[in-house]
Amino acid sequence: RKEVEQDPGPFNVPEGATVAFNCTYSNSASQSFFWYRQDCRKEPKLLMSVYSSGNEDGRFTAQLNRASQYISLLIRDSKLSDSATYLCVVMGLRGYQKVTFGTGTKLQVIP
Amino acid sequence: DGGITQSPKYLFRKEGQNVTLSCEQNLNHDAMYWYRQDPGQGLRLIYYSQIVNDFQKGDIAEGYSVSREKKESFPLTVTSAQKNPTAFYLCASSINGGGTGAYNEQFFGPGTRLTVL
Repeated sequence: RKEVEQDPGPFNVPEGATVAFNCTYSNSASQSFFWYRQDCRKEPKLLMSVYSSGNEDGRFTAQLNRASQYISLLIRDSKLSDSATYLCVVMGLRGYQKVTFGTGTKLQVIP
Repeated sequence: DGGITQSPKYLFRKEGQNVTLSCEQNLNHDAMYWYRQDPGQGLRLIYYSQIVNDFQKGDIAEGYSVSREKKESFPLTVTSAQKNPTAFYLCASSINGGGTGAYNEQFFGPGTRLTVL
């Protein structure tokens, strides 16, 4: 089992739709979780951290489920500009010791 | 403006040559990281540094070397021992790497695309 797994997609959704991605992780001791967005041939950019209580930033909601060992990202009212690859990142208790990126989920928002 | 810079943006190397990729940050972050990304693959950690004059190997350190003589700078040398150096190289920094949550949020530079001819 991979340490961090994501469905590569692509997820093709119409503008205005709601879409959700999951990311599963294998190390139950993982402590820090993040979602990044990466546009084609660009660097990843931090979208949001994922906290145990869940967090929301505008149209984006991230949640953590420790019991089932996954994090999720929900995008509401999808925009064309949301088209990108979404990477999940999982870090160990002492973050610098283990940083694992998922391979990403590609989202394509269609007019 | 605070941020991370990498240079050059594109780099071409002949086989057998060593090349050094630059990474500078003015965010006053303690931790810095180097990753490589290959097409269709996730980022893989090459080296990381928690503090000046200290660095640790990541998952794929063979054929690479780093230094951390200044807080702001973390250059990566791709040596001739690296068998498949053609990739997209990304440098990142975080406040530190020993805490949780926001302290581990990594911010990336624009990357260097290295091609071996």
